[in-house]
Amino acid sequence: ETGVTQSPTHLIKTRGQQVTLRCSSQSGHNTVSWYQQALGQGPQFIFQYYREEENGRGNFPPRFSGLQFPNYSSELNVNALELDDSALYLCASSLNGYEQYFGPGTRLTVT
Amino acid sequence: EDQVTQSPEALRLQEGESSSLNCSYTVSGLRGLFWYRQDPGKGPEFLFTLYSAGEEKEKERLKATLTKKESFLHITAPKPEDSATYLCAVHDKSGGGADGLTFGKGTHLIIQP
Repeated sequence: ETGVTQSPTHLIKTRGQQVTLRCSSQSGHNTVSWYQQALGQGPQFIFQYYREEENGRGNFPPRFSGLQFPNYSSELNVNALELDDSALYLCASSLNGYEQYFGPGTRLTVT
Repeated sequence: EDQVTQSPEALRLQEGESSSLNCSYTVSGLRGLFWYRQDPGKGPEFLFTLYSAGEEKEKERLKATLTKKESFLHITAPKPEDSATYLCAVHDKSGGGADGLTFGKGTHLIIQP
């Protein structure tokens, strides 16, 4: 059984740029959720994708967007990067939104 | 609005010294309460799901319990490798499961040899 994978591991971007983060879900899972985790904080829910459609969204602006593909992999896109976007971005997969299993995360640094 | 509060924020124990971590929560309707372990710079590792008050689950030196207002993670005779941040999260029924998990800030646990 393959677990959740994310790429890249680390990323450094400049304020105002755009970034795309990628996630492959665990085998047998059909739902992907994305979270942002600032240093010393718990993860915060960004949005969830189910059957290629956004199925729920947390308190994040529209410049955070995503996609889910037919194989249930997913992308998180962030436009117009701000310094406060620096964080660990976590992807979690689940079957129909139940128990969520997390990937290793992508560390994004915005300078 | 869902709220999750974990205490203490940090805990330092000697190897073999048992203790408990607390997670207090407020939700409209609990769909599930989750415990995760997170090592520095890594993603959270799933430990337990609890669904209803009175439920208990065990895994090695860890035991999770649930009441209507809080959950406890009991650690028995911990070892240095149990050192990590332990996160508690709730899943609210009101969003139909589409509103993600609400996490606490975690308890940073250090087990000294």
